[in-house]
Amino acid sequence: EPEVTQTPSHQVTQMGQEVILRCVPISNHLYFYWYRQILGQKVEFLVSFYNNEISEKSEIFDDQFSVERPDGSNFTLKIRSTKLEDSAMYFCASRDLNTEAFFGQGTRLTVV
Amino acid sequence: AQSVTQLGSHVSVSEGALVLLRCNYSSSVPPYLFWYVQYPNQGLQLLLKYTTGATLVKGINGFEAEFKKSETSFHLTKPSAHMSDAAEYFCAVTRNAGGTSYGKLTFGQGTILTVHP
Repeated sequence: EPEVTQTPSHQVTQMGQEVILRCVPISNHLYFYWYRQILGQKVEFLVSFYNNEISEKSEIFDDQFSVERPDGSNFTLKIRSTKLEDSAMYFCASRDLNTEAFFGQGTRLTVV
Repeated sequence: AQSVTQLGSHVSVSEGALVLLRCNYSSSVPPYLFWYVQYPNQGLQLLLKYTTGATLVKGINGFEAEFKKSETSFHLTKPSAHMSDAAEYFCAVTRNAGGTSYGKLTFGQGTILTVHP
C-alpha cells in the first residue's frame, strides 16, 4: 500500500540552526501539507502546497519557514533559525484531488 | 472558518464496555469529517470519514460514527472496547472554501482513551 515517508524520524538541533525535514508523498498525489503537534497539544495546520506553490498557510508559518518540492518526489520543510518553541512532531500529508489526506509517521524535532 | 471541539480530554473505560468519544464541529460549508487515531510514538491513522451520503459510517477496528447535522456532531463509538484501542483519538473537519472538495484539516484537541482490564 502506498504511504507517505518522512525522514528523519527524530532530529535534535541547536537553537538558531537550520533544519530541513523531508517527506516523500504518495506518487501521483497533487496536494501536500505540513502539520505540527507540540507535545500534549492538538495537531495544527502549517501550510498547503499545490501546483508548485503555497496555496494556504497559517499564522504559525512565518518567514522562518519555507517549503519546497525540489525534484518532483520530495517535499521539504525548512526552518531557517530554530527556536525552542519549534520543538514538536511535524507531520507531512498528501492527497489526490478527491481523497482524504494520508499522513506520514512524523519527524520529532527537538531544539536544545 | 472551521473548528472542532472534543469533549473530554481523557476517557477511561473497562475492556468490553462501550466507547463513546464526542466531537462537535463548526463549519460554514457542509463538512467532511474524520476520526484519526494516534498510537504512542506513531503517526495519524484514519479510522473513518464522512463526506456525503449515509450518515452512519463504519471504520476500521469496529469503530463507527454518526454525522448529525442538527446537532453538529460526529461522535465516535465502539460497542466493546479492547485493550488495543488505547490511544489518542482526533476528530477533524475539512472542506475547501467553495465547498467542492477537501481542504486543510482542522483538528480537535484530542481524546486519550484508556482501557482497563
